[in-house]
Amino acid sequence: DIQMTQSPSTLSASVGDRVTITCRASQSISSWLAWYQQKPGKAPKLLIYKASSLESGVPSRFSGSGSGTEFTLTISSLQPDDFATYYCQQYNSYSLTFGGGTKVEIK
Amino acid sequence: EVQLVESGGGLVKPGGSLRLSCAASGFTFSSYSMNWVRQAPGKGLEWVSSISSSSSYIYYADSVKGRFTISRDNAKNSLYLQMNSLRAEDTAVYYCARDRDSSSSGWFDPWGQGTLVTVSS
Repeated sequence: DIQMTQSPSTLSASVGDRVTITCRASQSISSWLAWYQQKPGKAPKLLIYKASSLESGVPSRFSGSGSGTEFTLTISSLQPDDFATYYCQQYNSYSLTFGGGTKVEIK
Repeated sequence: EVQLVESGGGLVKPGGSLRLSCAASGFTFSSYSMNWVRQAPGKGLEWVSSISSSSSYIYYADSVKGRFTISRDNAKNSLYLQMNSLRAEDTAVYYCARDRDSSSSGWFDPWGQGTLVTVSS
């Protein structure tokens, strides 16, 4: 199975900060990567697919990049609504796998 | 409006069985692959199983293979997860999620609200 490793596991930031989350795959997954946002008690929400394609309705401050084994999710200017946990997910092959998550907290 | 509503969760003893359902509406259910994803309390997301639109392709995580069975009824716009030989480590919120695209994309949107399964004696 392909392992997905996210870093950091927790991130403290302030409103207006630029935030970057990294996701590494244990083998190449081309661009078959998605990013989700999850708030407490809620289902995850798709933000980015195919590594860099922004899902409809998602604010443009979110962006994704990378290919192969290293990927990043960037929030260009953190907003109060962005404090949440973020997960990457590979879909290069079944078994699908998620990263362990990155919790973005208020500094 | 696209909607997924899970049901069937609850408390079950180790070794017991439970059947989860997911009722879909607002889209052509028979055109999309469907998935189950779970989340143990305070933990991350874990993919459980996927089924293609016509049930031709079915996949399971190693952690549930041989114990869980995914199925669908396109006439009833419903997805199911039959869970047998349940273990304490199966305790989680179980989400039903649709493939975002009808081309079996492998990424998920939308998701249901989840149903809690608790395995405990």
